[in-house]
Amino acid sequence: NAGVTQTPKFQVLKTGQSMTLQCAQDMNHNSMYWYRQDPGMGLRLIYYSASEGTTDKGEVPNGYNVSRLNKREFSLRLESAAPSQTSVYFCASREPGRGMVETQYFGPGTRLLVL
Amino acid sequence: AQSVTQPDIHITVSEGASLELRCNYSYGATPYLFWYVQSPGQGLQLLLKYFSGDTLVQGIKGFEAEFKRSQSSFNLRKPSVHWSDAAEYFCAVLKAAGNKLTFGGGTRVLVKP
Repeated sequence: NAGVTQTPKFQVLKTGQSMTLQCAQDMNHNSMYWYRQDPGMGLRLIYYSASEGTTDKGEVPNGYNVSRLNKREFSLRLESAAPSQTSVYFCASREPGRGMVETQYFGPGTRLLVL
Repeated sequence: AQSVTQPDIHITVSEGASLELRCNYSYGATPYLFWYVQSPGQGLQLLLKYFSGDTLVQGIKGFEAEFKRSQSSFNLRKPSVHWSDAAEYFCAVLKAAGNKLTFGGGTRVLVKP
């Protein structure tokens, strides 16, 4: 049971390049999330997927797209990277709990530098 | 709108001393509250969570937190810190609709020998 895994761990891009960040979970969770972490700002939600086949915008979706490929995988795509997207990106999945009480589990993160 | 504030950006504490990290929230309904820890280069790990019931909750690694509704606070404490507790700590509140977590800005803890 690996939990939540992310690839790559590190990436350097030039402005305008595209790339896809991969996330997978093996806990059979329905909901998955993408966050970005910037100094002093905590984590901010980019997109989330409540279940396979559905995605919704979070707090900072501009410049990103997502795909919920199947129950396990949730990818984040930058079509045309900008320096403002330099950040650490975290994927998370949500453990279903009793009623509305649930907990998110986080992957190790992807550090992205856009030059 | 909900928000989470962690007033202290950095805290330095001696090994063996006690630690308290502050967290204040604003949220219209009964909050679901969390504390996460992030070690350097690692992802976030859940320390503890409060949903209801006893306002003093115990977590992993010897941490505890106390929910005080009157002060809109959920402060994290540890009686005696270890060098391995050096990390960044995040408080978060759960917004029930969509199950979205809102995070505070984080408090970085440095442990002196």
